[in-house]
Amino acid sequence: EDQVTQSPEALRLQEGESSSLNCSYTVSGLRGLFWYRQDPGKGPEFLFTLYSAGEEKEKERLKATLTKKESFLHITAPKPEDSATYLCAVPSGTYKYIFGTGTRLKVLA
Amino acid sequence: ETGVTQTPRHLVMGMTNKKSLKCEQHLGHNAMYWYKQSAKKPLELMFVYNFKEQTENNSVPSRFSPECPNSSHLFLHLHTLQPEDSALYLCASSHLPNAGTQPQHFGDGTRLSIL
Repeated sequence: EDQVTQSPEALRLQEGESSSLNCSYTVSGLRGLFWYRQDPGKGPEFLFTLYSAGEEKEKERLKATLTKKESFLHITAPKPEDSATYLCAVPSGTYKYIFGTGTRLKVLA
Repeated sequence: ETGVTQTPRHLVMGMTNKKSLKCEQHLGHNAMYWYKQSAKKPLELMFVYNFKEQTENNSVPSRFSPECPNSSHLFLHLHTLQPEDSALYLCASSHLPNAGTQPQHFGDGTRLSIL
């Protein structure tokens, strides 16, 4: 059965304190891995798509990387506005996406 | 207006009421999705529509009834709901129906509370 596991469940960082979020997946034939950001009271907002092991994508203070078993979302020198829940998802079957439960990130000023 | 718009944003209803959630996308996508999001649980896919045709029903109880009159509009009709149906209901759309090729774009959801 296809699965996505995210860790940690919650993370508190001081402003400027870099860290990484993990997304481990078990899926037959990876066709893509998606990262989303979700703010309270909002829907998920698309950040990145990674398609193959070794691929990296960057956006401002965020960098996503992909291996054959997991993906990392590296946050460099975070700011309070980076506080959100970060979700990852992989496709499963023809139309379905499997989401992780997310990492709740809180960046303190 | 651009993006994916959901109405209403909040809904409180009794277990015997009938209500509908509405979703509209202005992105030119041809696939639309309903998800349920509950606290500390992953997003749970409910229904998928591809070019107005339902292609996925993820074992959803019949008290939830979707409708997709065209590729821009999606409805979720609700009746005789249970307290455990209280959740955030998210609508999403994407360019292609085949998962893995395109990201999904989400609305901000309807927060549903069942009394």
